[in-house]
Amino acid sequence: KQEVTQIPAALSVPEGENLVLNCSFTDSAIYNLQWFRQDPGKGLTSLLLIQSSQREQTSGRLNASLDKSSGRSTLYIAASQPGDSATYLCAVPGFQKLVFGTGTRLLVSP
Amino acid sequence: KAGVTQTPRYLIKTRGQQVTLSCSPISGHRSVSWYQQTPGQGLQFLFEYFSETQRNKGNFPGRFSGRQFSNSRSEMNVSTLELGDSALYLCASSPDGPLGANVLTFGAGSRLTVL
Repeated sequence: KQEVTQIPAALSVPEGENLVLNCSFTDSAIYNLQWFRQDPGKGLTSLLLIQSSQREQTSGRLNASLDKSSGRSTLYIAASQPGDSATYLCAVPGFQKLVFGTGTRLLVSP
Repeated sequence: KAGVTQTPRYLIKTRGQQVTLSCSPISGHRSVSWYQQTPGQGLQFLFEYFSETQRNKGNFPGRFSGRQFSNSRSEMNVSTLELGDSALYLCASSPDGPLGANVLTFGAGSRLTVL
């Protein structure tokens, strides 16, 4: 059974810092891994999708890496801004569904 | 193109009542999935429908049910509501294809409060 863990559970940083969010999964036989952002009380916004054949995917200040062999992915946020404050979730495919991590709640202070 | 639309956005019910939530997928998407999000359990998979057929089901009691219509719109129903059913219910749609089920676009969610 696929299990996904994210650490840290919460993170508070001052504006401008670079930061790394971690995601671990137990079953490395995955097609892809997706990172989502969720603002309080809102739905999920897809940030990055990394296919199993890729090692990295970049979008603006976000960079996600995938190491299937070790069952890990990281989301790197450069030059963090207060608008980055949200919960970040990673997810991997199960059978016809996504299995989500527990999320990292990020607060970026001005 | 329009995203995934969920209605209603917020609702309050009392224990024992039932509720129906609606989800309109992205045009052309035939797969619709439902997830429940609570502070304690995180995001849990409820069920997935494809072409009006339930293709996969999560580990929820029979009080939770769903259906999909010929236009791919989906509804989920929760009967005999319990306090623990208070949650954000998220709907997602995905395109067809071998990996289609794994590339989801989510709606804004329906926030259910059970009193």
